[in-house]
Amino acid sequence: AQSVTQPDIHITVSEGASLELRCNYSYGATPYLFWYVQSPGQGLQLLLKYFSGDTLVQGIKGFEAEFKRSQSSFNLRKPSVHWSDAAEYFCAVGLNTGNQFYFGTGTSLTVIP
Amino acid sequence: KAGVTQTPRYLIKTRGQQVTLSCSPISGHRSVSWYQQTPGQGLQFLFEYFSETQRNKGNFPGRFSGRQFSNSRSEMNVSTLELGDSALYLCASSYRRTQTYEQYFGPGTRLTVT
Repeated sequence: AQSVTQPDIHITVSEGASLELRCNYSYGATPYLFWYVQSPGQGLQLLLKYFSGDTLVQGIKGFEAEFKRSQSSFNLRKPSVHWSDAAEYFCAVGLNTGNQFYFGTGTSLTVIP
Repeated sequence: KAGVTQTPRYLIKTRGQQVTLSCSPISGHRSVSWYQQTPGQGLQFLFEYFSETQRNKGNFPGRFSGRQFSNSRSEMNVSTLELGDSALYLCASSYRRTQTYEQYFGPGTRLTVT
């Protein structure tokens, strides 16, 4: 069965510091991988996605993620965090047919000035 | 282009009642998926509709049902509400049934069952 693990429930970083959010997945083949962000009272917004090819993908808002097949990981990074990045971040796995996602439990990011 | 809209945004119901939530996808999108988001269980897939047919269903009891209309608008219904059904219900729309097409999420309907 597919599963997604985000081991960090909550992370606090200082504004301007770098950020890495961890995501590990369990799936028999190479899945489609996604990172979404959810601000309070909002739906989910897609940050970036990986289907195939270059394992380092660039997304919106200065985020990037790297797919590492050997570690079954898809960690999200940002070199310099802004206060507006404070939100909940979800890693998701998708299958190659249909539109069902398997989501991780999310990582809540707090940014301190 | 207008985004995914969900109505109502907030809803308070009593145990045992039923509720219907509505989702209007982005124009031209034919796939609508529903998710339940709770603090304890996170985001869980409910079902997916495409061209008025349910294509995929998550592991939820039969009290949860849905449908899709010819204009791609979708509704989900929860009968005999339980306290545990309190959640944010999100819908997402996509042009096709493949994840190479981005799914766009609505703001959700916050359901509180008392």
